[in-house]
Amino acid sequence: DVVLTQTPVSLLISLGGQASISCRSSQSLVHSNGNTYLHWYLQKPGQSPQLLIYQVSNRFSGIPDRFSGSGSGTDFTLKISRVEPEDLGVYYCLQRTHNPPTFGSGTKLEIK
Amino acid sequence: EVQLVESGGGLVQPGRSLKLSCAASGFTFSDYNMAWVRQAPKKGLEWVATISYDGSSTYYRDSVKGRFTISRDNAKSTLYLQMDSLRSEDTATYYCAVNWERWGQGVMVTVSS
Repeated sequence: DVVLTQTPVSLLISLGGQASISCRSSQSLVHSNGNTYLHWYLQKPGQSPQLLIYQVSNRFSGIPDRFSGSGSGTDFTLKISRVEPEDLGVYYCLQRTHNPPTFGSGTKLEIK
Repeated sequence: EVQLVESGGGLVQPGRSLKLSCAASGFTFSDYNMAWVRQAPKKGLEWVATISYDGSSTYYRDSVKGRFTISRDNAKSTLYLQMDSLRSEDTATYYCAVNWERWGQGVMVTVSS
């Protein structure tokens, strides 16, 4: 199975600051069709996960442009700029290029 | 508005069965692949099973193969997860998800004697 290593485990960011989360894969996430199926989710406390970014860098419907994704191959990054109180929670990356789909272990974002 | 509402969870003894349902609305259910994902208490997310839009293809994680069955009724816009021979390690909140985009609120399954 593909292993996704997320770092850091936790982040303490001031309101208005910037957060960066890394997701590294044990193998390339480029599908044979040329697409890269690496997604980012936020799970707010007591809620189900919500999709933020799909296929590396595409913001899902209704997601503000403070969230951005980048990367290729095996290294991916989620950046959150101008952090707001509602951004707190656990961020997960997911790959579904290879079966079975696998998640990173999560990064907890806390607000100072 | 897309809505996914899971039901059928609860407390069950090891070795027994449980069937989860996920009622979908707000989109054309028969157009989309569906998945079940679980989260053990205080743990991360774990994919469980996927079914194609027409039900012709199903996929399972190794630890549930032969014990869990994913199915769907497109006429009722409902996804199911039949869970047999339940183990303590199956204790988790189970989420249904459409196309990996929208998720339900989850349903808790506790396997304990």
